[in-house]
Amino acid sequence: SQQGEEDPQALSIQEGENATMNCSYKTSINNLQWYRQNSGRGLVHLILIRSNEREKHSGRLRVTLDTSKKSSSLLITASRAADTASYFCATASRRAAGNKLTFGGGTRVLVKP
Amino acid sequence: DVKVTQSSRYLVKRTGEKVFLECVQDMDHENMFWYRQDPGLGLRLIYFSYDVKMKEKGDIPEGYSVSREKKERFSLILESASTNQTSMYLCASSPLITVRVYQPQHFGDGTRLSIL
Repeated sequence: SQQGEEDPQALSIQEGENATMNCSYKTSINNLQWYRQNSGRGLVHLILIRSNEREKHSGRLRVTLDTSKKSSSLLITASRAADTASYFCATASRRAAGNKLTFGGGTRVLVKP
Repeated sequence: DVKVTQSSRYLVKRTGEKVFLECVQDMDHENMFWYRQDPGLGLRLIYFSYDVKMKEKGDIPEGYSVSREKKERFSLILESASTNQTSMYLCASSPLITVRVYQPQHFGDGTRLSIL
């Protein structure tokens, strides 16, 4: 079953605009992670936010976490054509063994030049 | 940089064949994972391993088995391939987590497997 559900499923924006995508999950978590996947490639880790953190920044990326609503958002500012990819949230449940993650279905982002 | 290498980018096999997908990581990671990725379904965990010769079932283990004889290598086996196992298969690895130290997973580029 999918723990994380991303919204929207697809997003199309112009270069320079901001892109926002959301992730909702169901159970208590230790942390939430965002990954990017370029077409035909594996996933690349972007950012990890712990359950006791509310906001985190990395370059043009801003992630928020609201554990009371069981939701997170990823904001990409000043988007570039190279940001075109699928973005996945993944949660590490408090009950999960090891470093097991549960991934959502992803948001496909198209940045038009 | 961590490198996770999957032996094939593309593979075509026939129904009923025994299929081996290989994954090697070069960072001495304890944890290794096999996922399959299907459109609209995201990544689903098939099996994972947290040590040599140790394995745990993920969410969709049916029809699959795994082998981890060496720390750096994690193999996924389709005992008798079926057409519904046509998919993208992704391998990942991560270090052992400790209390309050969380680690991301590092992925290979995937094997696109077609079962005819």
